[in-house]
Amino acid sequence: QVQLQESGPGLVKPSQTLSLTCTVSGGSISSGSYYWSWIRQPAGKGLEWIGRIYTSGSTNYNPSLKSRVTISVDTSKNQFSLKLSSVTAADTAVYYCARSMVTWGQGTLVTVSS
Amino acid sequence: EIVMTQSPATLSVSPGERATLSCRASQSVSSNLAWYQQKPGQAPRLLIYGASTRATGIPARFSGSGSGTEFTLTISSLQSEDFAVYYCQQYNNWWTFGQGTKVEIK
Repeated sequence: QVQLQESGPGLVKPSQTLSLTCTVSGGSISSGSYYWSWIRQPAGKGLEWIGRIYTSGSTNYNPSLKSRVTISVDTSKNQFSLKLSSVTAADTAVYYCARSMVTWGQGTLVTVSS
Repeated sequence: EIVMTQSPATLSVSPGERATLSCRASQSVSSNLAWYQQKPGQAPRLLIYGASTRATGIPARFSGSGSGTEFTLTISSLQSEDFAVYYCQQYNNWWTFGQGTKVEIK
């Protein structure tokens, strides 16, 4: 059974770059016709899709975040990653990684504060 | 961007009763509509995809209907574990989510 686990700094300073990694266990990130996504959720609010990547390297990003987002995949480590640049307090949220729509990580809280 | 609008924001229901949640898309998403359940401190759980297909392991009391711009999630007889927030999501054009409907105990 595939499981996903987010990891990265829980605190990021304003204007810096938020970097998170999602580690896939129980299966290969390269197998099957899946895409790998990042989603975030500010406290007490709804879900916002950030973007996704296919193992081919093809990406799609939320237009509202596109200028600041990079999603990449490292098949050798069975991981995919998120980078969000020039963060502000509005980027404070729980960040989830997901395989297609079915399998989600438990989420990791990232706070943007000086 | 396709905007998803859910109603009501909060639904108060007694255990054993039926709950009906609505979701409207700002433009047609065909049947590319999913429903998720989220409990406090947990990741969302996929309930329904393709507007009406239950995901693996989802009880039959959950059903989805609709196409185009109007969708409904019905929980036929609410169990204690069903009190949660429910989100609709379109995946016809990237992903966008509704703002959620909280199903609370009446």
